[in-house]
Amino acid sequence: DTGVSQNPRHKITKRGQNVTFRCDPISEHNRLYWYRQTLGQGPEFLTYFQNEAQLEKSRLLSDRFSAERPKGSFSTLEIQRTEQGDSAMYLCASSFGRTTEAFFGQGTRLTVV
Amino acid sequence: AQKVTQAQTEISVVEKEDVTLDCVYETRDTTYYLFWYKQPPSGELVFLIRRNSFDEQNEISGRYSWNFQKSTSSFNFTITASQVVDSAVYFCALSEAGIQGAQKLVFGQGTRLTINP
Repeated sequence: DTGVSQNPRHKITKRGQNVTFRCDPISEHNRLYWYRQTLGQGPEFLTYFQNEAQLEKSRLLSDRFSAERPKGSFSTLEIQRTEQGDSAMYLCASSFGRTTEAFFGQGTRLTVV
Repeated sequence: AQKVTQAQTEISVVEKEDVTLDCVYETRDTTYYLFWYKQPPSGELVFLIRRNSFDEQNEISGRYSWNFQKSTSSFNFTITASQVVDSAVYFCALSEAGIQGAQKLVFGQGTRLTINP
């Protein structure tokens, strides 16, 4: 197993454009999480999937953000009408069950210009 | 509300010195998990340890050791005989009991550790 994979690693976009990120979790992991990390800060929880169901969303996830996990496998995070404040590292993590540790991907660094 | 505080923003030591990274947490839950993650320049968060709230035994793994003290709500991390490869940002995190069994992590702000040769 190659671990959690995220694509792209870097994305530069103009303000107002839409962007989509992809996360491929570890294959047997049924839980998938998205976090956002801004410079000099710790990651902050955005949303959580158990299999294909999105069960929890943070208040940080405005209506411009949408996440999906079709068929309980990979997940996508889309940001519509990007703003400069969306510039951050977007991290995906997966785990099997609630009490096991989450494994993180290398993240997608978004820069909105 | 859950909160994790890592008061040390940056630490710089010379190789082979011992260094302790502090972590203090706040929670109302009686059952919770504490974690340490390492974030090297590549950006990936690397899992180091998970400790549940009922297990206050200290743990040692090679040059790494962890001191969990429930009485002071602290979960400190010590690196013995530090090496340049230990340079990274280290995060302490607390699992929050989210709905439907989510393991939501609440992270501290991180401590940037620099080991100088």
